[in-house]
Amino acid sequence: GEDVEQSLFLSVREGDSSVINCTYTDSSSTYLYWYKQEPGAGLQLLTYIFSNMDMKQDQRLTVLLNKKDKHLSLRIADTQTGDSAIYFCAESFYNQGGKLIFGQGTELSVKP
Amino acid sequence: DVKVTQSSRYLVKRTGEKVFLECVQDMDHENMFWYRQDPGLGLRLIYFSYDVKMKEKGDIPEGYSVSREKKERFSLILESASTNQTSMYLCASSVPRRNQPQHFGDGTRLSIL
Repeated sequence: GEDVEQSLFLSVREGDSSVINCTYTDSSSTYLYWYKQEPGAGLQLLTYIFSNMDMKQDQRLTVLLNKKDKHLSLRIADTQTGDSAIYFCAESFYNQGGKLIFGQGTELSVKP
Repeated sequence: DVKVTQSSRYLVKRTGEKVFLECVQDMDHENMFWYRQDPGLGLRLIYFSYDVKMKEKGDIPEGYSVSREKKERFSLILESASTNQTSMYLCASSVPRRNQPQHFGDGTRLSIL
């Protein structure tokens, strides 16, 4: 079945890199997404990667996908206090019309 | 820019009441979704809709129903609210193409007393 797992908490110092990890069980996913949720707000799309790619870079964000291990990661370079939020990974499936399966979310805390 | 608007940010209701949560999107999206978010559980899909007047059950539909009479509006209904339905509710919309993400509203924090 479909299952997406994330660790619940991550704490880093301002200026360091953050790496948020995600594992999934269903290898038939087509796209994998990273969303950010700031306190009291909805989810904001950060980036996504197609399942036949290994890496995608977008400014301070780097997404790595290891299909063999079913492992997805989001690296945030030069982490700032404004990056403190909950980060969700999610996978979509070609034959399920845009339905997403979400992980539990990782709460990133950035300390000055 | 896509705008998904949920009618209330905070709502307090009593056990047994019928509760309506409203969601409107302004981008003519075919797909609309309702999730609930609970700490440590992530987002769980309650119901979704691919078109007007059509609905599909998600992973946790029990105790909920939905209505989609117009393309831009998707309503979530708690027929008889219970305390275990206290949660954050999130609405999303998308177009039905493979690489198109879901766009979310700001959420409704619902408390059932």
